[in-house]
Amino acid sequence: AQKITQTQPGMFVQEKEAVTLDCTYDTSDPSYGLFWYKQPSSGEMIFLIYQGSYDQQNATEGRYSLNFQKARKSANLVISASQLGDSAMYFCAMRELINQAGTALIFGKGTTLSVSS
Amino acid sequence: EAGVTQSPTHLIKTRGQQATLRCSPISGHTSVYWYQQALGLGLQFLLWYDEGEERNRGNFPPRFSGRQFPNYSSELNVNALELEDSALYLCASIRWNQGGYTFGSGTRLTVV
Repeated sequence: AQKITQTQPGMFVQEKEAVTLDCTYDTSDPSYGLFWYKQPSSGEMIFLIYQGSYDQQNATEGRYSLNFQKARKSANLVISASQLGDSAMYFCAMRELINQAGTALIFGKGTTLSVSS
Repeated sequence: EAGVTQSPTHLIKTRGQQATLRCSPISGHTSVYWYQQALGLGLQFLLWYDEGEERNRGNFPPRFSGRQFPNYSSELNVNALELEDSALYLCASIRWNQGGYTFGSGTRLTVV
């Protein structure tokens, strides 16, 4: 079963509009972390935002905010005031305990965001 | 602070050959993770090294191997290359089990 599900293969938005990228996750571990990364066509993975499972408040970083709904196991990324430079692939990831020694990031399949002027 | 560096940026190999990819983590980061991103797919966890030891590996055959050196840099070796090994290979480092994962820019491996 997929641990991280991103149901939107592609999203299209106009400049200055807000957009929400969906992410649902599946884990039985009470302690986990959720991440969003941006991958431009150059291939590098750029960290955007992090939400810990025990964090009471939704995470925000500039134009990025994470809509964390724990009971629904969703961690949607909201980008406000989209810019042309936001066009990229966006990945949701979860830090999962993989053995007693530590953790690893498990990624969703990604959502391609296209911003037009 | 220097980021995670990967070399080479691009690598072209013939089927059956061996490829060696390198990763230097951020100073102070002891854990190195390797991921494979085939075209159009998400990132698949390959290997995790910490303190010179392989801690875990993903669902990949044994011809994918590597090591971590005393300075925490890491090498990924892919033996007996197959066409489907063509992918972007990304390396990430973290301080032991803490904080965010910082990724390098990747090595794009093409097998012909």
